[in-house]
Amino acid sequence: IQLTQSPSLLSASVGDRVTLSCKGSQNINNYLAWYQQKLGEAPKLLIYNTNSLQTGIPSRFSGSGSGTDYTLTISSLQPEDVATYFCYQYNNGWTFGGGTKLELK
Amino acid sequence: EVQLVESGGGLVQPGRSLKLSCAASGFTFSDYNMAWVRQAPTKGLEWVASISYGGSNTHYGDSVKGRFTISRDNAKSTLYLQMDSLRSEDTATYYCARRTGSSYFDYWGQGVMVTVSS
Repeated sequence: IQLTQSPSLLSASVGDRVTLSCKGSQNINNYLAWYQQKLGEAPKLLIYNTNSLQTGIPSRFSGSGSGTDYTLTISSLQPEDVATYFCYQYNNGWTFGGGTKLELK
Repeated sequence: EVQLVESGGGLVQPGRSLKLSCAASGFTFSDYNMAWVRQAPTKGLEWVASISYGGSNTHYGDSVKGRFTISRDNAKSTLYLQMDSLRSEDTATYYCARRTGSSYFDYWGQGVMVTVSS
């Protein structure tokens, strides 16, 4: 399964509601996770099984979707959210999306 | 606290071998499947290999199949990646990651850099 993330680059302001998209080439059956990677750091798990928030992750992060289309939403963007975000599917094989780089406007 | 600490990276010539290690602590290592994920410079993430908690089942990405071998020593709480016939395209930061029963990765190491160049 191939994953396509859009946009590849997103500029937003502090306090904005931000939506990142991840589209699979086949049905992912909700076996989708989201990772945040800050510059020079390892990826961090944010969301698993489409909409389950990992322990310790702020509630401004949420996930949704079904079938082939999935979304990560940040309800109110904070400066510390500047990072690249990757989706990852584990329904059929194991593949990552190409990433969305989120920057402050 | 879960900790995964990779080691063994460095500069290696094409065609040569290198072995990475990942020392785990803060959890019962033998209870978890483990994996290696890599990231080429300025690129995205690529799953490389996975191993079951007992070590009997292994899986590899197409780009490394036949060249890389994942293994583990549960007595030492250590994961390994033997990389043979290295190519320039194997240049990347290699991350050790803990895999949940559902197959997503919940903890990652800080990564180790491997550079394949003459």
